[in-house]
Amino acid sequence: AQSVTQLGSHVSVSEGALVLLRCNYSSSVPPYLFWYVQYPNQGLQLLLKYTTGATLVKGINGFEAEFKKSETSFHLTKPSAHMSDAAEYFCATHNTDKLIFGTGTRLQVFP
Amino acid sequence: DAGVTQSPTHLIKTRGQQVTLRCSPKSGHDTVSWYQQALGQGPQFIFQYYEEEERQRGNFPDRFSGHQYPNYSSELNVNALLLGDSALYLCASSLAGTGEKLFFGSGTQLSVL
Repeated sequence: AQSVTQLGSHVSVSEGALVLLRCNYSSSVPPYLFWYVQYPNQGLQLLLKYTTGATLVKGINGFEAEFKKSETSFHLTKPSAHMSDAAEYFCATHNTDKLIFGTGTRLQVFP
Repeated sequence: DAGVTQSPTHLIKTRGQQVTLRCSPKSGHDTVSWYQQALGQGPQFIFQYYEEEERQRGNFPDRFSGHQYPNYSSELNVNALLLGDSALYLCASSLAGTGEKLFFGSGTQLSVL
């Protein structure tokens, strides 16, 4: 069965520092992979998605993720963190018209 | 263009009661999916409705049921509420065949006391 695993339930960075949120997937077929962000008391907003083609995917708010088949990974990065990036981030994969989410990583950004 | 709207935003119930949550999909979307997000967890798929029928279902008991109306809006019903049903319930809509393009509502926060 397809699944994703997010490493690290909490990540803290200083403003301006690199953001790296880790996600590994388990799939016997090339997966669709997603990163969603959830701000407090809000629903989920799509940051970016990988379906096919280019393995480096650029999303909104300066985020990007790279699909690495050899490592079964789809880590999310942002070169310089901003205070407004503080939120919960979910990696997800897609299976028969439904999303399967990881357990989430809470990103804290310190001034 | 209104996105996905859910009502109510917050709800408090007691154990054993029944609850109905409502969702209006994004304009032009015909498929509605429901997810449960417990505190500190990722969303879990409950079920999906298309053409007023439940098309697929996640690992949830029969206490969880739903409905889709001809205008594509949807309801999630939970009977015999348990403390463990306390969660954020998210509705997502899409166009049939484009299930990877989900749009989420802001959710209904259900507290069971």
